Amino acid sequence: SAVISQKPSRDICQRGTSLTIQCQVDSQVTMMFWYRQQPGQSLTLIATANQGSEATYESGFVIDKFPISRPNLTFSTLTVSNMSPEDSSIYLCSVNAGTGLNEQYFGPGTRLTVT
Amino acid sequence: GDSVTQMEGPVTLSEEAFLTINCTYTATGYPSLFWYVQYPGEGLQLLLKATKADDKGSNKGFEATYRKETTSFHLEKGSVQVSDSAVYFCASSSGGSYIPTFGRGTSLIVHP
Repeated sequence: SAVISQKPSRDICQRGTSLTIQCQVDSQVTMMFWYRQQPGQSLTLIATANQGSEATYESGFVIDKFPISRPNLTFSTLTVSNMSPEDSSIYLCSVNAGTGLNEQYFGPGTRLTVT
Repeated sequence: GDSVTQMEGPVTLSEEAFLTINCTYTATGYPSLFWYVQYPGEGLQLLLKATKADDKGSNKGFEATYRKETTSFHLEKGSVQVSDSAVYFCASSSGGSYIPTFGRGTSLIVHP
């Protein structure tokens, strides 16, 4: 199994500012995923991040708002830019359990509140 | 694409009661099915899974059976504990996708 850590665990930010969330995995993985979980809602995939290439964004999410870096096989960052209260959510990173497997391991999440 | 529907919560039970959380899916072909659990303040953890029809996934006293005829994967536990209080997500993954489709989650509250 993979152990995933995220920083920060929570933050309160002012509107108009940006926050970068870090995700660290204890093993090398090809794909990392970023999700948003709005209060009382299910998980929505923001983007898939592969090392060495640009992230692939899902419908409704754009790189200018959610830039992602993937500098190596164990690390990724997600930035939430020019924040508004609607961005208040839990942001989760995840990885696949292994080659050919379609279950995922999740980090503990970053709880973001925008005031 | 896939879609997953699960019963709305919260589900409130007394300790040692029987639990059922309903989940149905629509998918192309034969998806893999999952239950994830999210304890307060934590990320999601895989609870159990089933990859083909009639498979039963089980873990920590929880069970779910893959029913192709009813496109269902209901989660059950015979005797819940206070420590089972969490949000439970049903999910499916098909067509070679590594990205599950999640239901909306069902909150379970167990009282002593």
